[in-house]
Amino acid sequence: AAGVIQSPRHLIKEKRETATLKCYPIPRHDTVYWYQQGPGQDPQFLISFYEKMQSDKGSIPDRFSAQQFSDYHSELNMSSLELGDSALYFCASSFTSGRWGTGELFFGEGSRLTVL
Amino acid sequence: AQKVTQAQTEISVVEKEDVTLDCVYETRDTTYYLFWYKQPPSGELVFLIRRNSFDEQNEISGRYSWNFQKSTSSFNFTITASQVVDSAVYFCALSEEGSGGSNYKLTFGKGTLLTVNP
Repeated sequence: AAGVIQSPRHLIKEKRETATLKCYPIPRHDTVYWYQQGPGQDPQFLISFYEKMQSDKGSIPDRFSAQQFSDYHSELNMSSLELGDSALYFCASSFTSGRWGTGELFFGEGSRLTVL
Repeated sequence: AQKVTQAQTEISVVEKEDVTLDCVYETRDTTYYLFWYKQPPSGELVFLIRRNSFDEQNEISGRYSWNFQKSTSSFNFTITASQVVDSAVYFCALSEEGSGGSNYKLTFGKGTLLTVNP
């Protein structure tokens, strides 16, 4: 079965550079989520999109932006990178039918960003 | 605010021992979901189980079992006859409805690092 696809899997950037992460949700899933997991930390919610509209926002820095495109893939753009942005970034998707949907988020394998 | 507490930061057992990972949650929602995820050293998050707040039946899947007790706001996870391949970080998570009204997001506990020694 198709899973959530994230690219690139690994990315190395210098401070103050820009990085873009891509996420391709499971087909027919209507909601995409981005999470950030720092070393030794639990995943923290950044932002979500439902039917291509931003639906919720968590602890996402102003230097970060995201969008969901017409084909439902999503991109997380990170500018003016800082050392503290080094983390594993997860994308997840879900099918939200009505109020609660299936109640399950499917996670991609993550994109590991290293800022030097 | 929603909160998930995994009091055990690290557990070390010997292969074939049973081990229970604790999870306590706080929420004001009457409808919610609880999850367990496994994160092996390779980093991916592997879904293990989802339980909704209206279903307090315990569940068993092979060597894994879960005990959901609403009265104590706990959702504990037991691995029977542990194996070295069970070594990973295990996260308990709680879903809450997002502010958008038609979606939800997960709040994770801090995770428990389980090491199973041969």
